Amino acid sequence: QVQLQESGPGLVKPSETLSLTCIVFGGSISDYYWSWIRQPPGKGLEWIGYIHYSGSTNYNPSLKSRVTISVDTSKNQFSLKLNSVTAADTAVYYCARVNSGSKIPLHFDYWGQGTLVTVSS
Amino acid sequence: DIQMTQSPSSLSASVGDRVTITCRASQSISNYLNWYQQKPGKAPKLLIYAASSLQSGVPSRFRGGGSGTDFTLTISSLQPEDFATYYCQQTYSAPTFGPGTQVDVK
Repeated sequence: QVQLQESGPGLVKPSETLSLTCIVFGGSISDYYWSWIRQPPGKGLEWIGYIHYSGSTNYNPSLKSRVTISVDTSKNQFSLKLNSVTAADTAVYYCARVNSGSKIPLHFDYWGQGTLVTVSS
Repeated sequence: DIQMTQSPSSLSASVGDRVTITCRASQSISNYLNWYQQKPGKAPKLLIYAASSLQSGVPSRFRGGGSGTDFTLTISSLQPEDFATYYCQQTYSAPTFGPGTQVDVK
């Protein structure tokens, strides 16, 4: 059973960089895309971006200028960096596995439990 | 961006009721539509992918339908554990989610 676990600081100061890591247990990070999604308190879901184990990335256009997602296959983990954060970036951040196949649309089938990141001085 | 809308935004229902939630895309997305269930304080859970394919382990009372721009999620007989918020998501282009439909107790 694949499990994902997010880790990182729960508090980030405005203008600084938010950094999170997602470790994958119970399966290899290879052969899949891996994604970050966030959810501001009381609000809906926003896709941040995803990365293939090979390193290719795709980002939400609205966040693209501030986001970097990277992968470390040797540690079976991937990471998120979001720079120049403001209070609007306060959210629960989830990592997820992106499943797809021949003629099968992308879908997010395994999720981490989420980690709350608050942006405040 | 492809915009997703859902209706209703919330509904009240009783155990045993048949519940239908509608999701509409701002342009055709073929069958690139997924449905998720989220309970308070928990991560979303995949229910349906590719518009109508039931994710492994999900009860058969959940059914997805539609293609193009209009989609539905139907729960044939609502169970106590189904009270939650439901989100649609398109992955035809940069993924976007609908605003959610909250299903609560009548």
